[in-house]
Amino acid sequence: DARVTQTPRDKVTEMGQEVTMRCQPILGHNTVFWYRQTMMQGLELLAYFRNRAPLDDSGMPKDRFSAEMPDATLATLKIQPSEPRDSAVYFCASGTGGMGNEQFFGPGTRLTVL
Amino acid sequence: AQSVTQPDIHITVSEGASLELRCNYSYGATPYLFWYVQSPGQGLQLLLKYFSGDTLVQGIKGFEAEFKRSQSSFNLRKPSVHWSDAAEYFCAVGASSGNTPLVFGKGTRLSVIA
Repeated sequence: DARVTQTPRDKVTEMGQEVTMRCQPILGHNTVFWYRQTMMQGLELLAYFRNRAPLDDSGMPKDRFSAEMPDATLATLKIQPSEPRDSAVYFCASGTGGMGNEQFFGPGTRLTVL
Repeated sequence: AQSVTQPDIHITVSEGASLELRCNYSYGATPYLFWYVQSPGQGLQLLLKYFSGDTLVQGIKGFEAEFKRSQSSFNLRKPSVHWSDAAEYFCAVGASSGNTPLVFGKGTRLSVIA
C-alpha cells in the first residue's frame, strides 16, 4: 500500500528556532507538492517540484522558508527562523504530473511555534 | 485562471439523511475534477475524480458526483449519511495538461447528528 510519509507528525518549537519537515513521496511519483493548512487561509500551495526541480515556490515566504529535494525519495521544507504565525499543518503530496495532476497526500506535520 | 467555489462552509445533516455538497468551478477548457475528504487530524483522501466520459462518477464510501458542464458544477452526493462521514470535504480542479497544481476550494465541513 503505497503512501506518502511525513515526519515529524507533530512539532512544537519556540520562536526563532529552525524547523525541518520531511516527506517521502510515493515511489515512482515525480511531482511533489507542499501545502500549508490553517483555519483562516484554508489549504495554500507553498511550492512544488517536478523531477526534483522546483517549478513554483511563489506561495512561500522566501526570507524564511526553503524547500528542496535532495533526491527522488526525499523532499524537505525548512523554516528558519520560525515565527508563531507559521503554526499550521503542513502537507506533502505527490503525483505523476499527468491526468489533471491527481495528488496523493501525506498525513501532515502539525507545527506549533510558541 | 482556475478557481473553485464551495458555497457552503458548514453543513449539518442527520444520520441516514441524504447529502449534497456543492462545488462550482471556473476553467476555460475541459477540467479534471476531484473531491477529497479530510477526517480530523488526517491528510486528504481522494473520494472520486472526473476526467471524461460518464458525467456521473462513483467513488469510495458510497459517494458519487455529477459533472454538469452547463452549470460548471461538480456536486457531491450520498443517499444516506453515516456518522463516520463527518469530515471536511474539498473540491478541486486540475488542468488537462497536468503541468499545473490542483486548485482547491475552501472546503465544506460536514457535521452528522443522530
